[in-house]
This record gives sequence, C-alpha cells and structure tokens, in this order.
Amino acid sequence: DTGVSQDPRHKITKRGQNVTFRCDPISEHNRLYWYRQTLGQGPEFLTYFQNEAQLEKSRLLSDRFSAERPKGSFSTLEIQRTEQGDSAMYLCASSFNSEPTLNYGYTFGSGTRLTVV
Amino acid sequence: GDSVTQMEGPVTLSEEAFLTINCTYTATGYPSLFWYVQYPGEGLQLLLKATKADDKGSNKGFEATYRKETTSFHLEKGSVQVSDSAVYFCALLGDYGGSQGNLIFGKGTKLSVKP
Repeated sequence: DTGVSQDPRHKITKRGQNVTFRCDPISEHNRLYWYRQTLGQGPEFLTYFQNEAQLEKSRLLSDRFSAERPKGSFSTLEIQRTEQGDSAMYLCASSFNSEPTLNYGYTFGSGTRLTVV
Repeated sequence: GDSVTQMEGPVTLSEEAFLTINCTYTATGYPSLFWYVQYPGEGLQLLLKATKADDKGSNKGFEATYRKETTSFHLEKGSVQVSDSAVYFCALLGDYGGSQGNLIFGKGTKLSVKP
C-alpha cells in the first residue's frame, strides 16, 4: 500500500469556478477525514466518513462544500463558486478503528494546495 | 470545547542543542495526545503518541509525557539535527465514549536547526 494519495497536488483556479479534489485512503482503513490548513495554522477538521456514511461535518463546511465517499473507498471534496478565502491546503487522512476510542492516529496524505485567484 | 495550545515559533537552534516545544490542552474526559511533524512540501506524519496519563511516547529520539495534572504534553529531544527542521503540531483526540472524536491541532511550531 502506498499510503494516502491525494490528487491533484496543486490547483489554481479563478474565483467563482468549481473545483474537485480526490483522496484515496489506505485500502483497509474504514475512516476518511478531510482537513483544511491555512498558512501558519494547524489543520482544521472539515468532515469525516465511516465507510460510505458521512458522520460529521464541521461548521467550517459551508453549503458550497460537499464531500462524498460513494463506495466507501476513495472520496471527493468539491468546492463550488470558489472564493479567495478558500485558498488553503486540503488534507485527507484515513484510519482504522473498531473501538470508540481511537488510539492509532491518522495517516495523512500530502494534501492538495488550492490557490484561488 | 477541546483545544490545544502550543508555543509560538519559530524556534531556531544550533545542531545538538536541546529542544523543548510546549503543548497544553483543554479537554473533557481522557483524550489521546499526539505529536505530528510536517517536513517542507510533505504531509503530516505521526511522530509519537500517548493514550493515557503518565504514558511516554517516543520516536526518533523525541519524547513526550502525558501529564494529566498539568494538562501538558511537551515535546523534547536531547540533541537536534538539521534534518529535524520542520513544523511540529501537537494534537488531541477526544474520548467521547460511543461518539466520534476528531483530531484537534495546535497551530504548529516551526523548528529550524542550524549546522
């Protein structure tokens, strides 16, 4: 397994355009998370899936953001009508746990850096 | 809500110096605590973890002890190398029983080690 893969690595888009990012988690991991990281800040939680079910969404995830994980494997994050404030690194992570308390941490991808001009 | 506070950077040290990066947390219950490292141009990598009070996480010469009485998880290394230059993030994962926890990160501390 090559770890968590994210595509593309970089995306430059014009304000108002839609963008979609993809994340391929570690194959045996049942959980998948999306985080956003702005310059000089730590990653902020956006949403997560357990298998194909989206179980939690942060208030940071406005109506312009939508995430899917249709078959419980890869996930996509779409941002509609992008704004300059959406410029950030979008990180995907995956994990496996069968216990209420997660002890193993997450495995992160290298991220997709979005620049909205 | 749960939160993590870590010392502001940047931190600049000479090679072989002693490193401490302070991290304190606020959380209900008994969170798990983590240190992640982010090298330039790369994603976050788990450096070490501790899941209960008085546990010591260690990896690659780095150590951190889960201190519940002071709600702290300070990162230490006895002798840093140039290759340790990176951004270090302290994080916690809440223990919500049957509910789901999410990793909550501090803002990160940039470490630069000079030869």
